[in-house]
Amino acid sequence: QSALTQPASVSGSPGQSITISCTGTSSDVGGYNYVSWYQQHPGKAPKLMIYEVSNRPSGVPDRFSGSKSGNTASLTISGLQAEDEADYYCSSYTSSSTVVFGGGTKLTVL
Amino acid sequence: QVQLQESGPGLVKPSETLSLTCTVSGGSISSYYWSWIRQPAGKGLEWIGRIYTSGSTNYNPSLKSRVTMSVDTSKNQFSLKLSSVTAADTAVYYCARGIAVAGSSFDPWGQGTLVTVSS
Repeated sequence: QSALTQPASVSGSPGQSITISCTGTSSDVGGYNYVSWYQQHPGKAPKLMIYEVSNRPSGVPDRFSGSKSGNTASLTISGLQAEDEADYYCSSYTSSSTVVFGGGTKLTVL
Repeated sequence: QVQLQESGPGLVKPSETLSLTCTVSGGSISSYYWSWIRQPAGKGLEWIGRIYTSGSTNYNPSLKSRVTMSVDTSKNQFSLKLSSVTAADTAVYYCARGIAVAGSSFDPWGQGTLVTVSS
């Protein structure tokens, strides 16, 4: 299975909005509404931010939102804050009953 | 709340078998998928595989020939064995609970344990 495709880096200023894309195929992202997004700060374990494309776990700010169109999923962070600076990973369930991750995106808050 | 803790040797010799255990506390291990995920230093996440509490497994095709997972519900633990390791298997290994449909999302995660493959 091939990793999902994410941009290596994105950046934005405090208060702005940014979007991170995650592109797969019809066998993963496009075939199922089972896309998740994780935030990882340096030296820490990843934290689930979005599941099933657009659902937020309890405690995740509503500044974080997810969507999907075709084979591409997106994570949008609005009202960017300094603490949002981290690595972000998408993942998807696949037609082989496995899970595949994206390569990760480094978010820099300018 | 549920917490996960990985345990096992931090150093494994090349060609030997890496063995890790994840202990689940604060809740029952039953009726969930449980996954192992790894991350080489400075690189991205790689899903290794998962096990359901019935013992049913799914593995990453790229690792399938070397991976074995098991679950011990009486101890609230599940385990990973990765055989014939090389330096490329050096990574932080995380265990995580699968939630949502098909256990496709991971929450919570263990803190991770660094495993180094070296003679």
